Amino acid sequence: GQNIDQPTEMTATEGAIVQINCTYQTSGFNGLFWYQQHAGEAPTFLSYNVLDGLEEKGRFSSFLSRYKGYSYLLLKELQMKDSASYLCAVKDSNYQLIWGAGTKLIIKP
Amino acid sequence: ETGVTQTPRHLVMGMTNKKSLKCEQHLGHNAMYWYKQSAKKPLELMFVYNFKEQTENNSVPSRFSPECPNSSHLFLHLHTLQPEDSALYLCASSEGGGGGTDTQYFGPGTRLTVL
Repeated sequence: GQNIDQPTEMTATEGAIVQINCTYQTSGFNGLFWYQQHAGEAPTFLSYNVLDGLEEKGRFSSFLSRYKGYSYLLLKELQMKDSASYLCAVKDSNYQLIWGAGTKLIIKP
Repeated sequence: ETGVTQTPRHLVMGMTNKKSLKCEQHLGHNAMYWYKQSAKKPLELMFVYNFKEQTENNSVPSRFSPECPNSSHLFLHLHTLQPEDSALYLCASSEGGGGGTDTQYFGPGTRLTVL
């Protein structure tokens, strides 16, 4: 079967750096997405990786290793507004999105 | 209005009721999606419409019935639901074509409670 694994919950301190990991086992690979979802709100698109390496977008960066079936989302200079769930999703060989259950990130002052 | 909108935002219904969820996208996209989101579970894809044609129906019970009258509007008709259908129902849209970079944009969801 197809599977996306990410930690259920993480806690970090305001101003610090946190890395949220995502590992996947899918039938084929056509890209990996990260979304942010605040409680009661829409998931919002953060990043898309299809080639190995690091993509940086301001305070957020996303890394992909296709060989390892692994990605991480790196959040720097954490702010209280970064408290949210972070969803990892992979497009398989049929271009279907396979979703992880999400990582709830709690930021403490 | 911009992006993807959904109404109502909250809905409480009895098991014998009939109700409809509405989604509208203002992005000029050609594909629309219905997802079910339950606590601590991955998003479950329910239905996909590409250029108004239904292309996915992931073994969804017949008590859920989608309708896509045009590429900007999507409905989910509900009848004789069960308490386990209580969840957040998310609508999304994308440009269509389904390629790797085809990114989905979500509405805020309808929080459904079935009594």
